[in-house]
Amino acid sequence: DAEITQSPRHKITETGRQVTLACHQTWNHNNMFWYRQDLGHGLRLIHYSYGVHDTNKGEVSDGYSVSRSNTEDLPLTLESAASSQTSVYFCASSEQGSLGTEAFFGQGTRLTVV
Amino acid sequence: AQSVTQLDSHVSVSEGTPVLLRCNYSSSYSPSLFWYVQHPNKGLQLLLKYTSAATLVKGINGFEAEFKKSETSFHLTKPSAHMSDAAEYFCVVSDIDYGQNFVFGPGTRLSVLP
Repeated sequence: DAEITQSPRHKITETGRQVTLACHQTWNHNNMFWYRQDLGHGLRLIHYSYGVHDTNKGEVSDGYSVSRSNTEDLPLTLESAASSQTSVYFCASSEQGSLGTEAFFGQGTRLTVV
Repeated sequence: AQSVTQLDSHVSVSEGTPVLLRCNYSSSYSPSLFWYVQHPNKGLQLLLKYTSAATLVKGINGFEAEFKKSETSFHLTKPSAHMSDAAEYFCVVSDIDYGQNFVFGPGTRLSVLP
């Protein structure tokens, strides 16, 4: 079965360190997204990609970057981790160009910055 | 721009009584609308989606939602709550005119009392 996998599931890091969260999907979807989930805010969009070598900033992109070198992967990098980036991160993917296409989500990565 | 309002941050019902979770959205003429559920420490699961076909949409586990364009609403209902329905529920809007991103509401936490 196709799936979307995030790793690691849990991560503790120190302030100022660079951290990369992995996201891998086997749906062959062109669209991929990174969200963060914080209490009272729902899920907020960090970055998104509509295909290989395409990346775009979302609502809360400061301090984050992504790159898309193939269809399956969209790693999220925190350049210099800050305590405000402690959160649960979700990766998602969807088909391109179809009305009503849904997003499929990974299980999430809980990141703690100390 | 797209936006989603979930009118209640927390709803509490007794087991066996009806559930109503409210959602209002702002988008273009023909958005796609979704309800996702998140059980504690889990990922997000699609409950149902509206894609401009029937305005009354049936989902999994007995949930339904009705799209009302005049009221820009997409409220989620269930005739009889079960203990296993206790979770966080997110209303989501997506619109091709805005780039196929998924915009989340802040969520409604549903508690089911015995």
